[in-house]
Amino acid sequence: KNQVEQSPQSLIILEGKNCTLQCNYTVSPFSNLRWYKQDTGRGPVSLTIMTFSENTKSNGRYTATLDADTKQSSLHITASQLSDSASYICVVSWNYGGSQGNLIFGKGTKLSVKP
Amino acid sequence: EPEVTQTPSHQVTQMGQEVILRCVPISNHLYFYWYRQILGQKVEFLVSFYNNEISEKSEIFDDQFSVERPDGSNFTLKIRSTKLEDSAMYFCASSLESRAEAFFGQGTRLTVV
Repeated sequence: KNQVEQSPQSLIILEGKNCTLQCNYTVSPFSNLRWYKQDTGRGPVSLTIMTFSENTKSNGRYTATLDADTKQSSLHITASQLSDSASYICVVSWNYGGSQGNLIFGKGTKLSVKP
Repeated sequence: EPEVTQTPSHQVTQMGQEVILRCVPISNHLYFYWYRQILGQKVEFLVSFYNNEISEKSEIFDDQFSVERPDGSNFTLKIRSTKLEDSAMYFCASSLESRAEAFFGQGTRLTVV
């Protein structure tokens, strides 16, 4: 069964600190992996998107890694800010039958950045 | 910056009533999606739409649901006879290609009473 598992479920860090969020997936065939940031009550906003051949991708203070062999990804946030408080969702896209793929969402990691 | 817009932001309806949720995708995008998120749970895929027809749908998307692109700009989700369990945040998304980044709207919070 196609699944995306994230850890930890929630995380509290102090402003200015770094943190790393984890994502494991069992999705086949794999198309790409995305990290989204979702503020409470809002739609997800894309941070990074990586295909099979990409190992790392950065977007400002966000750096995502992908190990397609072990089917693991991480999102590293550097020098956290209060505005980083949100849910971070790992999403894996897959394709079947030659038609367009759809997205499988993880449950997200709820990050709280405290002053 | 172009964005996906959804209306209304919040809809309250009585059980058994029909609701239509509206979305205006980004203008040059070709692929359109509906997702839902029950409070406290993960986002779930409902349906994808391309070239004026459904390309994929999940088990959630049963006969009570339908989608339509009535004109060149709007993309709608209709729930024919709402149930209490349909209460959720419904997100519309669009992308230029099927594997490209999907842009999400702000969501419509549907409350069925």
